[in-house]
Amino acid sequence: GAGVSQSPSNKVTEKGKDVELRCDPISGHTALYWYRQSLGQGLEFLIYFQGNSAPDKSGLPSDRFSAERTGGSVSTLTIQRTQQEDSAVYLCASSETRGQNIQYFGAGTRLSVL
Amino acid sequence: QKEVEQDPGPLSVPEGAIVSLNCTYSNSAFQYFMWYRQYSRKGPELLMYTYSSGNKEDGRFTAQVDKSSKYISLFIRDSQPSDSATYLCAMSDDMRFGAGTRLTVKP
Repeated sequence: GAGVSQSPSNKVTEKGKDVELRCDPISGHTALYWYRQSLGQGLEFLIYFQGNSAPDKSGLPSDRFSAERTGGSVSTLTIQRTQQEDSAVYLCASSETRGQNIQYFGAGTRLSVL
Repeated sequence: QKEVEQDPGPLSVPEGAIVSLNCTYSNSAFQYFMWYRQYSRKGPELLMYTYSSGNKEDGRFTAQVDKSSKYISLFIRDSQPSDSATYLCAMSDDMRFGAGTRLTVKP
């Protein structure tokens, strides 16, 4: 596709369940980012993938959060044992490389944990 | 102190007003500065991008960077209702975003 695609667009889950969020970046972009945006808050960096390098996981808030990127393309963000405070919009972005290159964002996945 | 500070607003102006949005940052090593616009229920989209200090103009939008003061600004001239959105500043060197300022332009 022409842009970053995220699915599902909305996800409602019960506390304690695991969820998987998917991101399909722009073809050819080597860098992929996950952010979390809570109501009225800015973008909170979660994790960054660059090519085949080890990901920068410094923003993951707890060990319940993990992400992988298969074949240098599609990425999945997994949240285990979801908590109500995990409710937020999860945004994925991709860019040609890190640094000055522009990040292109998907529309996000709106997660609600009941 | 946060690395990027941005007043979250909200900011409400009448149509045609000049809007000034600002961010401050703490890391003097930042070189790349961006402004993103985010409409409701959408992802952020790049609006302006500047490198180092100086001004950049694109239509009704002007981005300013003052590295000596660690201060960046976005000016919107002749604001329109379609400019109503949240504006986020970003330091792309380090993937740091401001909290975003919610702007409403009233007809």
